[in-house]
Amino acid sequence: EDQVTQSPEALRLQEGESSSLNCSYTVSGLRGLFWYRQDPGKGPEFLFTLYSAGEEKEKERLKATLTKKESFLHITAPKPEDSATYLCAVQARGYQKVTFGIGTKLQVIP
Amino acid sequence: DTGVSQNPRHKITKRGQNVTFRCDPISEHNRLYWYRQTLGQGPEFLTYFQNEAQLEKSRLLSDRFSAERPKGSFSTLEIQRTEQGDSAMYLCASSLVDGEGQFFGPGTRLTVL
Repeated sequence: EDQVTQSPEALRLQEGESSSLNCSYTVSGLRGLFWYRQDPGKGPEFLFTLYSAGEEKEKERLKATLTKKESFLHITAPKPEDSATYLCAVQARGYQKVTFGIGTKLQVIP
Repeated sequence: DTGVSQNPRHKITKRGQNVTFRCDPISEHNRLYWYRQTLGQGPEFLTYFQNEAQLEKSRLLSDRFSAERPKGSFSTLEIQRTEQGDSAMYLCASSLVDGEGQFFGPGTRLTVL
């Protein structure tokens, strides 16, 4: 069964203090690994899809990387508006089911 | 089209009642997904439609849950004989291409008293 483990569960950063969120996964043949951002009371917002080890994608202050067992979401010089829960998810080849982790709740303090 | 919409946004019901939720995906998206999310957890996959065909369903999905997408556009999720454990946020998502990110609606929050 596909599994996604995210760490830490919560992270508090000062504005401008860069850090990384971790996503460890097991899947029987990776179709895609996804990162989402979720604000309280709202649906997840799609950020990135990664398909193979070594792939990297960037968007503003966020950069996602992928290895065969883990993905990292690097946040460079975060701002208070980056505060949210960041969810990692995987999809196995041949299936549509997407398995999510419980997320990392990020708080960026001014 | 401004995105995925879901109605109602909130539903309070008594245990044993039936409830139905509606999802309108992004118009050109033929793939539609339903998820359930409880507090402090990530979304849990319930079911998947490609056009009007329901192609995947979670093994965890009780027989009390049924979903339809009759004309390949909007979808409905019905829960019969609701239980307190059904209290959760029900999320709908759509996408155009397999393996691409999904676009989520705002969710329907269900409270079963």
